[in-house]
Amino acid sequence: AQSVTQPDIHITVSEGASLELRCNYSYGATPYLFWYVQSPGQGLQLLLKYFSGDTLVQGIKGFEAEFKRSQSSFNLRKPSVHWSDAAEYFCAVALRTSYGKLTFGQGTILTVHP
Amino acid sequence: DAGITQSPRHKVTETGTPVTLRCHQTENHRYMYWYRQDPGHGLRLIHYSYGVKDTDKGEVSDGYSVSRSKTEDFLLTLESATSSQTSVYFCAIRGTVNNEQFFGPGTRLTVL
Repeated sequence: AQSVTQPDIHITVSEGASLELRCNYSYGATPYLFWYVQSPGQGLQLLLKYFSGDTLVQGIKGFEAEFKRSQSSFNLRKPSVHWSDAAEYFCAVALRTSYGKLTFGQGTILTVHP
Repeated sequence: DAGITQSPRHKVTETGTPVTLRCHQTENHRYMYWYRQDPGHGLRLIHYSYGVKDTDKGEVSDGYSVSRSKTEDFLLTLESATSSQTSVYFCAIRGTVNNEQFFGPGTRLTVL
């Protein structure tokens, strides 16, 4: 069955430290890949997306993600975390022929210490 | 914010009562979606629509129905609410570029 896994439920980093959030998917073909962020009590905001081409994609707020086909992964990174990055992060995928239906990972809660 | 509004934003209801949640968009998008968000599950697709009167089931459709009589409105109905349907419900639209979706602000539903 198709699935998306975010192995880390909760990550804590210090402000200024680097960040990597992991995402693995299980699909027969390369899907469309997305990262969303959700601040407490808010809706979801699209951070970045991968459709094709360059496997390193840049997003908003200084985030980037790298698609690795051999590992079925799409990990999110940021070189220096700010306190305002504290939020929950969701990886999501959509089959290219699926009416755009998204399958989400379970989410990773990011806590940032001063 | 892609012009998406949801109403109501908060609702408390009792088990067995019908509930309808509304999603309204102002940008004439063809595709609309309803998801529910629960701790530890991320978001899961309930139903989606690919045009007026064209809808289909998602991953967790049991106990829910939808209707889309106009492009701008997508309604989610719980015919007889149960406590397991306590959740936060998000509506989304598909943008014009490669399946990216934009989400509404959400509706927090509590079923007592």
